[in-house]
Amino acid sequence: DIQMTQSPSSLSASLGDRVTITCQASQVISRFLNWYQQKPGKAPMLLISDASNLETGVPSRFSGSGSGTYFTFTITSLQPEDFATYYCQQFDTLPLTFGGGTKVEIK
Amino acid sequence: EVQLVESGGGLVQPGGSLRLSCTASGFTFSNYWMHWVRQAPGKGLVWVSRIKSDGTYTNSADSVKGRFTISRDNAKNTLYLQMNSLRVEDTAVYYCARAGIFPVSPLFSWGQGTLVTVSS
Repeated sequence: DIQMTQSPSSLSASLGDRVTITCQASQVISRFLNWYQQKPGKAPMLLISDASNLETGVPSRFSGSGSGTYFTFTITSLQPEDFATYYCQQFDTLPLTFGGGTKVEIK
Repeated sequence: EVQLVESGGGLVQPGGSLRLSCTASGFTFSNYWMHWVRQAPGKGLVWVSRIKSDGTYTNSADSVKGRFTISRDNAKNTLYLQMNSLRVEDTAVYYCARAGIFPVSPLFSWGQGTLVTVSS
């Protein structure tokens, strides 16, 4: 199975801060990497597909980059509604695997 | 608007069975691959199983192979997960998710989830 190592596991940030989360795959996955946001008690929501493709309706402050084994997810100016847990996920090879998640909390 | 509504969760004893359903609307269900993903309380997301749009091809995680069966009824716009020989470690919220029309695609839409608790 492809292991997805996401870091940090949690972070505290202030409104307006720039936040970056990294995700490293245990083997090359090209750009078959997605990012999801999950709020407490809610289902995950796809934000970015194919490493950098912003889904329709997702604010432009969210972005993704990377290929191969190393990927980053950035929020350029943190807003109140962005406090949530974020997961990376590879879809290069079955089983689909997720990173452990990054909980973004208010400082 | 895409809507996925799961049902069928509940409390079951170890070794028991449960069938989850996911009713879809707002899109042509028969065109899309569908998945089940679970999340144990306070834990991360774990992929469980997927099924091809016409129901002829499935894959499952090793942890559920031989115990869980994914299926679909395109006439009823419904996805199923038959869970047998349930274990305490199967306790989780189970989400159904719509993927794309190709086998390799993101999980574009998710249901709200249904909680399965396996306990004596």
